Amino acid sequence: EEQLVQSGAEVKKPGESLRISCQASGYGFTDYWISWARQVPGKGLEWMGRIDPSDSHTYYSPSFQGHVTMSVDTSVRTAYLQWNSLKSSDTAIYYCARQLIVAGEKPWGQGTLVTVSS
Amino acid sequence: EIVLTQSPVTLSLSPGERATLSCRASQSVGSSLAWYQQKPGQAPKLLIYGASYRAAGIPARFSASGSGADFTLTISSLESEDFAVYYCQQRSDWPPHSSFGPGTTVNIK
Repeated sequence: EEQLVQSGAEVKKPGESLRISCQASGYGFTDYWISWARQVPGKGLEWMGRIDPSDSHTYYSPSFQGHVTMSVDTSVRTAYLQWNSLKSSDTAIYYCARQLIVAGEKPWGQGTLVTVSS
Repeated sequence: EIVLTQSPVTLSLSPGERATLSCRASQSVGSSLAWYQQKPGQAPKLLIYGASYRAAGIPARFSASGSGADFTLTISSLESEDFAVYYCQQRSDWPPHSSFGPGTTVNIK
């Protein structure tokens, strides 16, 4: 079964750094791009960008460029989303998803809630 | 950047009724459009990919059509588990950008 499992909820202070993870199983990890999306509780989905696990090439949505970093470690079949300096406005649920060849993303991780508060 | 608009914002219907949801793009996306269902506390679930293809395990009451800039998701006869928020998503080839629509909430009348 194709599956993405994300790391657990995090509580951080403004200015702190954070890396969350998304581990893939059940398919060829380097065969599909991984995308990330943000959802503020009660609001809609925002697409953040994607990474190609085969060569680590990234594309960031302009709204997120420069504020987050996407990376992968193919040895553990895991994608990462990282912040160097969190803001309270980063409080949200973050999802990873596998991008299909045709438009569509499946499966999705279960989501990681990141809370940034002083 | 391509902007997606979904209508209506909210759809209030009864079980057994037909639901028709619209997604409009600010410019043509060809057939590069997907539809998702999201229930409270859950991750989005892919319903439709490539504008009109049902994902594996999705019931036949879900269908979709459209190309270019206008797309439609139809639920032929609503069941209780279909009351949720529905998002459309486009993907462009270059730049390899994607975006979601703001969502349509289908709730019980």
